[in-house]
Amino acid sequence: EDQVTQSPEALRLQEGESSSLNCSYTVSGLRGLFWYRQDPGKGPEFLFTLYSAGEEKEKERLKATLTKKESFLHITAPKPEDSATYLCAVNRSGNQFYFGTGTSLTVIP
Amino acid sequence: GAGVSQSPSNKVTEKGKDVELRCDPISGHTALYWYRQSLGQGLEFLIYFQGNSAPDKSGLPSDRFSAERTGGSVSTLTIQRTQQEDSAVYLCASSLDRVETQYFGPGTRLLVL
Repeated sequence: EDQVTQSPEALRLQEGESSSLNCSYTVSGLRGLFWYRQDPGKGPEFLFTLYSAGEEKEKERLKATLTKKESFLHITAPKPEDSATYLCAVNRSGNQFYFGTGTSLTVIP
Repeated sequence: GAGVSQSPSNKVTEKGKDVELRCDPISGHTALYWYRQSLGQGLEFLIYFQGNSAPDKSGLPSDRFSAERTGGSVSTLTIQRTQQEDSAVYLCASSLDRVETQYFGPGTRLLVL
């Protein structure tokens, strides 16, 4: 069964304390893995798309990596404005996208 | 350019009433998705439209849910005879094609009393 699991469910970091969020998946025929950021009361905001194992993408303090079984979202020297829920989604052959339940990140000043 | 818009932003209704939720996708995007997000849950796929093809309705939880997309643009999600368990945030997303990045609207927060 296709499944996307994110860990941890919640993460509290001090400002400047780097860490990583994990997204593991069991999906056959992966076409793409997507990372989104969601702020309270808003729709998910696109961050990255990764298509093949070994691929990496960076944006400001965020870096996403992909292996055959999981993806990591590395956050370097986070700031309070990075506080949000980070969602991972995978698309396999077909129409559907499978989303994880997200990691709620809080960065404390 | 303009992003995905949804209306209303909030909707409170009584159990048993019908509701219509609207989504305006990004201009030129051929693919349109509806999702439901309940508290503490991941996004639940509901329905997918791609161009003029028949929609993928495999995620609709019951026959009380239906959706249409007129002219390949605006979409309406209709929930008939609403139940309290229908309370959730309903999100719409559009993309250039079915394997491309999805861009989400702000959602409609539905509360069924």
